[in-house]
Amino acid sequence: QKEVEQNSGPLSVPEGAIASLNCTYSDRGSQSFFWYRQYSGKSPELIMSIYSNGDKEDGRFTAQLNKASQYVSLLIRDSQPSDSATYLCAVIWSGTASKLTFGTGTRLQVTL
Amino acid sequence: DAGVIQSPRHEVTEMGQEVTLRCKPISGHNSLFWYRQTMMRGLELLIYFNNNVPIDDSGMPEDRFSAKMPNASFSTLKIQPSEPRDSAVYFCASSTGVKNIQYFGAGTRLSVL
Repeated sequence: QKEVEQNSGPLSVPEGAIASLNCTYSDRGSQSFFWYRQYSGKSPELIMSIYSNGDKEDGRFTAQLNKASQYVSLLIRDSQPSDSATYLCAVIWSGTASKLTFGTGTRLQVTL
Repeated sequence: DAGVIQSPRHEVTEMGQEVTLRCKPISGHNSLFWYRQTMMRGLELLIYFNNNVPIDDSGMPEDRFSAKMPNASFSTLKIQPSEPRDSAVYFCASSTGVKNIQYFGAGTRLSVL
């Protein structure tokens, strides 16, 4: 069974700190990886996508992919209370076209 | 752009009743996905369509569930008969297929009593 694993949290960080969210996946051949943010009672919204090894930066967000170790991470710099949400890691397994498999999510709390 | 539109936003029904959830994808998107989210199982893909054709329905839990996409701008997910364990939030998402980025609707919260 292919799996996407995340620590459920909550991960608590003070305002202004760096939040580090991690995700591991079981299929070494996977090529497409996504981070979605979901506020309580709302729908998932895409934060970052990453397809190649290394770092990808977008504003305060950096996604890091290491295919050899089968993990993908999301760093949030200068964390704000508005970043408090559940962050979902999603993977498209090799050979499955457009199917996203989601992890169960990590709940982030940014404290004042 | 109006985004993915789902209706109704909330549905409360009694066990045994038929439930129909509706979705209008973003104009120009050729892939449509139905997901179910529960506390226990997280966000699960039920079925997805490409160019109105069902591609993979392996996530549909049982024969009580069916989905259709009669045209590029409309899809339905039907549960007949509904059961209390079907209570969940159902999301529809659409995509152009470019880099497989999916955009989600606001969801339908279904409660089966």
